[in-house]
This record gives sequence, structure tokens and C-alpha cells, in this order.
Amino acid sequence: TQLLEQSPQFLSIQEGENLTVYCNSSSVFSSLQWYRQEPGEGPVLLVTVVTGGEVKKLKRLTFQFGDARKDSSLHITAAQPGDTGLYLCAGVGRDDKIIFGKGTRLHILP
Amino acid sequence: DSGVTQTPKHLITATGQRVTLRCSPRSGDLSVYWYQQSLDQGLQFLIQYYNGEERAKGNILERFSAQQFPDLHSELNLSSLELGDSALYFCASSPTARQNGNTIYFGEGSWLTVV
Repeated sequence: TQLLEQSPQFLSIQEGENLTVYCNSSSVFSSLQWYRQEPGEGPVLLVTVVTGGEVKKLKRLTFQFGDARKDSSLHITAAQPGDTGLYLCAGVGRDDKIIFGKGTRLHILP
Repeated sequence: DSGVTQTPKHLITATGQRVTLRCSPRSGDLSVYWYQQSLDQGLQFLIQYYNGEERAKGNILERFSAQQFPDLHSELNLSSLELGDSALYFCASSPTARQNGNTIYFGEGSWLTVV
């Protein structure tokens, strides 16, 4: 069974600080996605990474896919209150099914 | 607004009862997915339909069933409800059958509370 472990589960930091959250697995994925979910809404896709070692930037967010395509990280620079939310990683396996991690709940304090 | 519409938004029902959740996908999307989200289990894939046919099955209980109609809307039927079925149920849609390389758009979810 493929599993995605996200860490930390919860993170509360001050506005302006930097942070990194992680998504790890023992399985290889064809691609890996990051979503953000806000209260009362469904997850919204932020990025998809496909190639081992790939780095993608979305404004202050930097996403990296591990060389072996088993793990990923999301780094946020100068966090803002608008970054608050549940961050989910999701891996697509060889069976073409998406597996979601349980998420990192991020709270940015103004 | 993702373009995926789910009804009802909130539902409270008693144990043993049966409910139906409804989903209208984004215009033009042929795939519909159902997910269950709870605090302890996270977001769990239940089932996928593509153009009216079941394409992939996840952790869906035998008490649950789904279908996709010719107009591409979908329904998730939950029967013999138990307290543990209380969760947020999401519908999502995408243009094609494959999950890899596709952007999946989620609705706002249906909150089910079983009492």
C-alpha cells in the first residue's frame, strides 16, 4: 500500500518567517502534486512536479521533487497570513490512482 | 469557484439511514471522482467514473455506491449509515480519464453528520 507521510502535522509561525513542510514515501510516484485547502472549500491544485529533482516556484512558494521521486518539499519564504490553510501533497502511482497525505495545517500569525 | 457543484452542502441524518449526494462536474469534464475527508483518515479516494463507466475504485465501502448519468452528473449513495461515516465528501472532476498529468477540480464538499 502506498502511503504519503506529511510533516509537520501542524505549524504555527509568525508572519515574515520562512518554513518548509515535507511529504515522504517509500514508494515511487509518476508525479506529485501540492494542494491548498481553506476552510469550507475543496483542495485547490498549486503545482505538479514530474521529474526527479525538479524545482518549481510559485511566487514565494518553492516546490521540490526528490531525485528518486519518493518525496517532496514545499518551502514558503516570508510567510503571510494569506498562506494559512491545509497543505496536501498527493502522489500518482503507476496504477494511475492519486494518494493524498493527511496534510500540514499551517497557521500564519499576523 | 472551481465549477464543480455539490449538493447538499450540509446534511444531518440518523444511523441506519440512507442519503444521496449529488455532483455536477465542470462543463466539458468527463471524469468524476468521489473522496471522503475525515480528520483521522485524511482525504481518501472512493471511486472514479469516466463518461458513465466506473474507471477506478478506491476505499469505498460496500454500503456505498455511485453512478454517473448520461448528462455526466454523478450521485454517491450512502446506506446503513454509521456514526463513523460522518465526514466531508468531495466530488471532483477532470477532462480525461487519466489522473496522472491531469488537473482535478474539487467542489466545496458535502458535510455529512450521522447522529
